[in-house]
Amino acid sequence: AQSVSQHNHHVILSEAASLELGCNYSYGGTVNLFWYVQYPGQHLQLLLKYFSGDPLVKGIKGFEAEFIKSKFSFNLRKPSVQWSDTAEYFCAVNSLLKVNDMRFGAGTRLTVKP
Amino acid sequence: GAVVSQHPSRVICKSGTSVKIECRSLDFQATTMFWYRQFPKQSLMLMATSNEGSKATYEQGVEKDKFLINHASLTLSTLTVTSAHPEDSSFYICSARGKGAGDLLRLEQYFGPGTRLTVT
Repeated sequence: AQSVSQHNHHVILSEAASLELGCNYSYGGTVNLFWYVQYPGQHLQLLLKYFSGDPLVKGIKGFEAEFIKSKFSFNLRKPSVQWSDTAEYFCAVNSLLKVNDMRFGAGTRLTVKP
Repeated sequence: GAVVSQHPSRVICKSGTSVKIECRSLDFQATTMFWYRQFPKQSLMLMATSNEGSKATYEQGVEKDKFLINHASLTLSTLTVTSAHPEDSSFYICSARGKGAGDLLRLEQYFGPGTRLTVT
């Protein structure tokens, strides 16, 4: 069955610490991968996406993610987090064959302490 | 950028009444719109997918007679929760995918701010 797993439910970091949030998927065929962020009280915003090409993608606000096909992973990283990065982060996957079927991970709550 | 709006942002209704939630794509034409439900501390669960001018496709377990979806135009979709009950209280989020030229617009979904429904 198609699924997306995010390993960390809640991550707490201090400012300037490095961040890595895990995302693994179980999905047949060619996939498109996304990371969305939901700041408190706000709607989902796209951080970055991977469709094809360079597996290391850079997004907004200093975030990047690496697609490792052999590991079915698309981990999100940021070298130095800020208090303003406190939010919920969702990994999502769909495929070219099933573009309407976007599956979301359970989300990871990131709390950055000032 | 592509903007999706939802109205209302919050609604409180009594058990047994119906509630309509609107989703609009403000600066692009949305060939496909999606309705999600998000429970506290959980992920988004897709309820249904609708294409302009055709019937919505519901996910397994979602009652189509309870959650009526209308996608009458390329910029508007509505979700009506009929005969609402307290267990329908949730955060409902719509998403839209565009029609524009280029693959990116057709593949990327844009999300509305969500509607918090509370049924008393």
